[in-house]
Amino acid sequence: AQSVTQLDSQVPVFEEAPVELRCNYSSSVSVYLFWYVQYPNQGLQLLLKYLSGSTLVKGINGFEAEFNKSQTSFHLRKPSVHISDTAEYFCAVSDSAGGYNKLIFGAGTRLAVHP
Amino acid sequence: EPEVTQTPSHQVTQMGQEVILRCVPISNHLYFYWYRQILGQKVEFLVSFYNNEISEKSEIFDDQFSVERPDGSNFTLKIRSTKLEDSAMYFCASRAVGQGGNQPQHFGDGTRLSIL
Repeated sequence: AQSVTQLDSQVPVFEEAPVELRCNYSSSVSVYLFWYVQYPNQGLQLLLKYLSGSTLVKGINGFEAEFNKSQTSFHLRKPSVHISDTAEYFCAVSDSAGGYNKLIFGAGTRLAVHP
Repeated sequence: EPEVTQTPSHQVTQMGQEVILRCVPISNHLYFYWYRQILGQKVEFLVSFYNNEISEKSEIFDDQFSVERPDGSNFTLKIRSTKLEDSAMYFCASRAVGQGGNQPQHFGDGTRLSIL
């Protein structure tokens, strides 16, 4: 079974500052890793994914994440945030070996960008 | 860009009534999912559906829940006799076929279900 821990429930940050949202996972099998963003009253939008290969993955809106297998982490970063990045961010894992690949989500991190 | 659409956006139902939540997945996708998010809690997997049958379901998905792909385009979630604790946002997702399941899931905007 897999589980995901997002260490911060809320992250306040000023506009144009860098931000890191932390995600750790637990799994006995190989996993795929994802970050989704949820803007108010909207669904979940894929930011980026790690499947294999390079441990640094780049996504939309200037976000990137680094997969660290030894630390079982997949932290999300952005060097300079905008007001429009204010949203809820979810880290998720799925079993890379199985065919149906349900997603297991973390509890989410609310990013609040202040002017 | 193609997207997953869900209707209605908000459904209010009396406890004990049946409710059907509707989803139109992306047209060339073959794997379908339902998730739910109770207010203030994490997104939870309910069920996955492939080749016209349930492939996996969670403990939440008990006998009160059912899914169907009635016409080749819609994917529905039915709750037979709703309870207060069924109040949540329900998300539908779909994904394309990929090697080892490496295609990401695409989500709809959700249906907010309120049980009175």
